Amino acid sequence: DVKVTQSSRYLVKRTGEKVFLECVQDMDHENMFWYRQDPGLGLRLIYFSYDVKMKEKGDIPEGYSVSREKKERFSLILESASTNQTSMYLCASSIGQGSVKNEQFFGPGTRLTVL
Amino acid sequence: DAKTTQPPSMDCAEGRAANLPCNHSTISGNEYVYWYRQIHSQGPQYIIHGLKNNETNEMASLIITEDRKSSTLILPHATLRDTAVYYCIVRVAHSGGSNYKLTFGKGTLLTVNP
Repeated sequence: DVKVTQSSRYLVKRTGEKVFLECVQDMDHENMFWYRQDPGLGLRLIYFSYDVKMKEKGDIPEGYSVSREKKERFSLILESASTNQTSMYLCASSIGQGSVKNEQFFGPGTRLTVL
Repeated sequence: DAKTTQPPSMDCAEGRAANLPCNHSTISGNEYVYWYRQIHSQGPQYIIHGLKNNETNEMASLIITEDRKSSTLILPHATLRDTAVYYCIVRVAHSGGSNYKLTFGKGTLLTVNP
């Protein structure tokens, strides 16, 4: 079974702190994604990566950065956390080119609260 | 990616078929229809996808109209564990770079009642 794990289920941080959210997948997938989910707004894509050291902005990249030094790991970084970044963060991965199914596998999510 | 329209909520009795509609009138010829669902407190889960033929797997069936402007996801015998938000997504199947991303709308909250 594909497994996508996220470093924490719940996280509480203070405004201005630097926050790292880690995601690891064990199926050698090329693509990895970070979403945030807020009530009434659904899932919104923050950043994604289709190869090691490659990244592309999603729909709401402001206030975030990412790092992908190894294929299996994709990190989301909040350089200076703010209260409006309180949200559920979801990581996903998918196989690269050649798959019509293009199924994304999601982790359990990290609920981040910024005080 | 083409826009999709789904009802915000639906109810279904346990054991009955749940039919979830999706409108995608601006779908283009190379775009597939994907369905995902999200059970409370979990990440979304892939259900099924199709291009123009009807599709069936162990989870559900997907019926796409001949003009491809709408589709229906069918859960043949809904259980309480099928209570979830169901997302219909339209996009090209595969190519490079940014075409791998999925755009989730607000979906349909399906509540299966005992």
